[in-house]
Amino acid sequence: NAGVTQTPKFRVLKTGQSMTLLCAQDMNHEYMYWYRQDPGMGLRLIHYSVGEGTTAKGEVPDGYNVSRLKKQNFLLGLESAAPSQTSVYFCASSYGVMYSNQPQHFGDGTRLSIL
Amino acid sequence: GNSVTQMEGPVTLSEEAFLTINCTYTATGYPSLFWYVQYPGEGLQLLLKATKADDKGSNKGFEATYRKETTSFHLEKGSVQVSDSAVYFCALSDRQRDDKIIFGKGTRLHILP
Repeated sequence: NAGVTQTPKFRVLKTGQSMTLLCAQDMNHEYMYWYRQDPGMGLRLIHYSVGEGTTAKGEVPDGYNVSRLKKQNFLLGLESAAPSQTSVYFCASSYGVMYSNQPQHFGDGTRLSIL
Repeated sequence: GNSVTQMEGPVTLSEEAFLTINCTYTATGYPSLFWYVQYPGEGLQLLLKATKADDKGSNKGFEATYRKETTSFHLEKGSVQVSDSAVYFCALSDRQRDDKIIFGKGTRLHILP
């Protein structure tokens, strides 16, 4: 009964380093999302996917890339980390567009600090 | 485009006080409305939802009514507890807009014992 699992939970990077955040869901959801949460800004959508093999840009996509090679996994990559990317990152998943009355399910977040 | 506006926090109340967190929305279609709650160190979790006008969502003593005429979905609880301290997000989902959920900026609630 895991739901949405994010790894790692914490990470500290130096400016210019790269890393990948992994999100896995076991609910057979079609849609998956990556958000960042910053103080006073609420949740901002980075990228999302409406199915295996698809990705789309959200509100703040610059500096990030994503991949959805398997339906259950959604990866968020930072190619060259910048201090402005210090944030808490949340992954979420949901059923597809025909189920807009269904909520998103969230992971517990990854706290990322860029020095 | 669609948007959600909720009252800014933090909101500080004493235990057993009455709570209202205001939320209004703008949508071109017929959205579903949600309240999510985020406890410290955790992700968001669904608190309640309403999918059509005049529906009332309720859970854990919280209630919110979908008011189409005032485009509002205010969150209320009659008697708050210290354990209700969290950040509350109002959100909408519109089938006509690719099912991306639009979140408000969140309202932090502090309950004093």
